[in-house]
Amino acid sequence: AQTVTQSQPEMSVQEAETVTLSCTYDTSESNYYLFWYKQPPSRQMILVIRQEAYKQQNATENRFSVNFQKAAKSFSLKISDSQLGDTAMYFCAFAETSGSRLTFGEGTQLTVNP
Amino acid sequence: DADVTQTPRNRITKTGKRIMLECSQTKGHDRMYWYRQDPGLGLRLIYYSFDVKDINKGEISDGYSVSRQAQAKFSLSLESAIPNQTALYFCATSEPTGTDTQYFGPGTRLTVL
Repeated sequence: AQTVTQSQPEMSVQEAETVTLSCTYDTSESNYYLFWYKQPPSRQMILVIRQEAYKQQNATENRFSVNFQKAAKSFSLKISDSQLGDTAMYFCAFAETSGSRLTFGEGTQLTVNP
Repeated sequence: DADVTQTPRNRITKTGKRIMLECSQTKGHDRMYWYRQDPGLGLRLIYYSFDVKDINKGEISDGYSVSRQAQAKFSLSLESAIPNQTALYFCATSEPTGTDTQYFGPGTRLTVL
């Protein structure tokens, strides 16, 4: 069974600085998808970024980028120029290509301080 | 936009009561999911459905049942609610295209006293 681990329950960063959230996973699959979801206080789950395992290039979405290390089974999220609106719980998630079931990590609560 | 809606948004009930949480979607997706979120545990899959006639148990299905009334509707029932089912419940949808990106509803906060 796949597992996803986020080892940082809480993190904080100053506005305009850069922060990196860590995620590791375990799977025997060779092709799969990885995601970062954001959950602000409104509790809505919002997709931040996704990575396909067969693509070597790291995904980027504006200020958000990932460092995908397939051999190490690591998938970290970097947030550049942090903004107050980035304050949220961030979840790393894994999906098998065929099953479409998401396995989530425990979450990291990020606080951006003014 | 409200492509995935959940009702109710909040619910307080008592132990032993039957509760139904409803999910509707206008995205035209075949696949629908129910997750529960508990602090420190992330989201865990309760049930999922790939089409109206295909319903599958997730990792924590005990104490829950589901009904897929139509492509757009997927309901979760607690036949006899217990306090440890107090949680935030999410419905999600996805397309069967292999991208596995899921789109979530706004969640239902359920409290069982």
